[in-house]
Amino acid sequence: DAGVIQSPRHEVTEMGQEVTLRCKPISGHNSLFWYRQTMMRGLELLIYFNNNVPIDDSGMPEDRFSAKMPNASFSTLKIQPSEPRDSAVYFCASSKGQGNTGELFFGEGSRLTVL
Amino acid sequence: GENVEQHPSTLSVQEGDSAVIKCTYSDSASNYFPWYKQELGKRPQLIIDIRSNVGEKKDQRIAVTLNKTAKHFSLHITETQPEDSAVYFCAASPNTNAGKSTFGDGTTLTVKP
Repeated sequence: DAGVIQSPRHEVTEMGQEVTLRCKPISGHNSLFWYRQTMMRGLELLIYFNNNVPIDDSGMPEDRFSAKMPNASFSTLKIQPSEPRDSAVYFCASSKGQGNTGELFFGEGSRLTVL
Repeated sequence: GENVEQHPSTLSVQEGDSAVIKCTYSDSASNYFPWYKQELGKRPQLIIDIRSNVGEKKDQRIAVTLNKTAKHFSLHITETQPEDSAVYFCAASPNTNAGKSTFGDGTTLTVKP
């Protein structure tokens, strides 16, 4: 398996623009997570899905952020409009099971810079 | 919610020495404690984990200990090597929900040759 695949790897955009980050989880994994990593706040869980259903989005910073998982092999994280404080590395991760305890497999991350 | 504190934030050791990183957690419902290693510019990867029914787990040069009463767990790396240099994250999650893993702030380990 190729592991969790994220795109784009790097994104530079201007404030106010829409940003869409994409993730393909490992086949057979039915839990998917979006994390944000910054120096100031570390690794923060934004939202996670079980069997394509959003379970907990309490970590989503505000209404500018939205996430979808239309099928078992694809998820998006959208920021609209983007702001400089959204600059971070966004990781997607997947795991087996119904969100039960187990290893998180992270993608390579999408480094977002908002100017 | 869960609060995980990790110490120290930076750690520098000589090659061959041991390194110890400690974490405390607040939620007594947490019973899964993974450790992730993140090399510079790379993704976090699981190196070892422990569940609350076990007090200690070892994998070659890496060991993790857990004290549920005191709500703390530690990562021990023996015979450190330069390739152990990375950021290490501890995490805690409740039994039913690894998705709720709360991560510590990370420890930057530098192993000097």
